[in-house]
Amino acid sequence: GENVEQHPSTLSVQEGDSAVIKCTYSDSASNYFPWYKQELEKRPQLIIDIRSNVGEKKDQRIAVTLNKTAKHFSLHITETQPEDSAVYFCAAAGANNLFFGTGTRLTVIP
Amino acid sequence: DTGVSQNPRHKITKRGQNVTFRCDPISEHNRLYWYRQTLGQGPEFLTYFQNEAQLEKSRLLSDRFSAERPKGSFSTLEIQRTEQGDSAMYLCASNPTGINYGYTFGSGTRLTVV
Repeated sequence: GENVEQHPSTLSVQEGDSAVIKCTYSDSASNYFPWYKQELEKRPQLIIDIRSNVGEKKDQRIAVTLNKTAKHFSLHITETQPEDSAVYFCAAAGANNLFFGTGTRLTVIP
Repeated sequence: DTGVSQNPRHKITKRGQNVTFRCDPISEHNRLYWYRQTLGQGPEFLTYFQNEAQLEKSRLLSDRFSAERPKGSFSTLEIQRTEQGDSAMYLCASNPTGINYGYTFGSGTRLTVV
């Protein structure tokens, strides 16, 4: 099955700086890559996703890049704000299922 | 229909007891998934249904776990003879058949086995 690795496990940035989280996946059949934000005891919330036919997607302060050849994708958050503090998960999906990375705890220091 | 609903939100049980959780997916969604999330980890796939058919089960789903979706709408996940290692958040998600995106998650059931 698919194996998704995520780094770093924790990340602290100053407010206004950028944050980057990186993931790799193993199954070349995976073609959908969402990112979720999860606050304590809450459901994972989709914040951005990318399909395999594009290399980059941006939504305001959030962007995702995908390198299918190298099987890695990254989340970029610019101009970070304290409310961005949460745990972020990457995921990879093939035809039938969604597999998650182990998460990155992002702390934005005011 | 405002999303995926899970009940109960919290469950505390003694070791050895049986527990059952319920998930009501978005009504138009044919696929329903169960995940388990332990502290500090990402959600781990347990099983999924397409309508009433259980199409895939993870090796994480031991014989003490059983999931059903009898009418292709809501689903139940039962854990028999609970162990402390079963303590986790159990998440349910749904999405429409035929696409591999559009997953919507419920708020989860937090199980604590004492």
